[in-house]
Amino acid sequence: DTEVTQTPKHLVMGMTNKKSLKCEQHMGHRAMYWYKQKAKKPPELMFVYSYEKLSINESVPSRFSPECPNSSLLNLHLHALQPEDSALYLCASSQDPGLSYNEQFFGPGTRLTVL
Amino acid sequence: KNQVEQSPQSLIILEGKNCTLQCNYTVSPFSNLRWYKQDTGRGPVSLTIMTFSENTKSNGRYTATLDADTKQSSLHITASQLSDSASYICVVIGSAGGSYIPTFGRGTSLIVHP
Repeated sequence: DTEVTQTPKHLVMGMTNKKSLKCEQHMGHRAMYWYKQKAKKPPELMFVYSYEKLSINESVPSRFSPECPNSSLLNLHLHALQPEDSALYLCASSQDPGLSYNEQFFGPGTRLTVL
Repeated sequence: KNQVEQSPQSLIILEGKNCTLQCNYTVSPFSNLRWYKQDTGRGPVSLTIMTFSENTKSNGRYTATLDADTKQSSLHITASQLSDSASYICVVIGSAGGSYIPTFGRGTSLIVHP
């Protein structure tokens, strides 16, 4: 299994809602990432988990809350989002966070719309 | 500040033609450079990964070059196909405090016309 899966594919939520994005990989990768991508822009790194511990938080607002329940799963909990948070949210994984020469495998993304 | 600049911003070519995309970077310390292809609304897919000591790497019709001295890379696409229409993103991996941080370019949008 060389896939990173993300659910849901599309999500529409109001500013008062609480929702979660899910990401899963079964490649034994120990680094997992969340990116945010606006239209016609490159992905922006949000969080990095290394061996299930949060290692990088790129000054992301607290309305985004990541969680790594185990080495295969990565969640992104959303609460009180703003319309400008609407974007494609990409999850990625790589084999060993201690090695730089690690290919990142990206999931297909979740298209989030905040009304 | 680490930066990755790509050119051109967009490119339109006819099917069967070749094209070259450029990437200039100021990422230090440098670890490796990657080219990704991203179809609209999908996650990026890796094309090549190059380290400091590699000058050229091919993946089918895609050939990437790296000049670590001038901090430039190019992606050459040979005999383009309609399915090559996508955004091509240059990503440079640097290191900071024991972690490896990717810096993304803004991408080149390639459209291949029949």
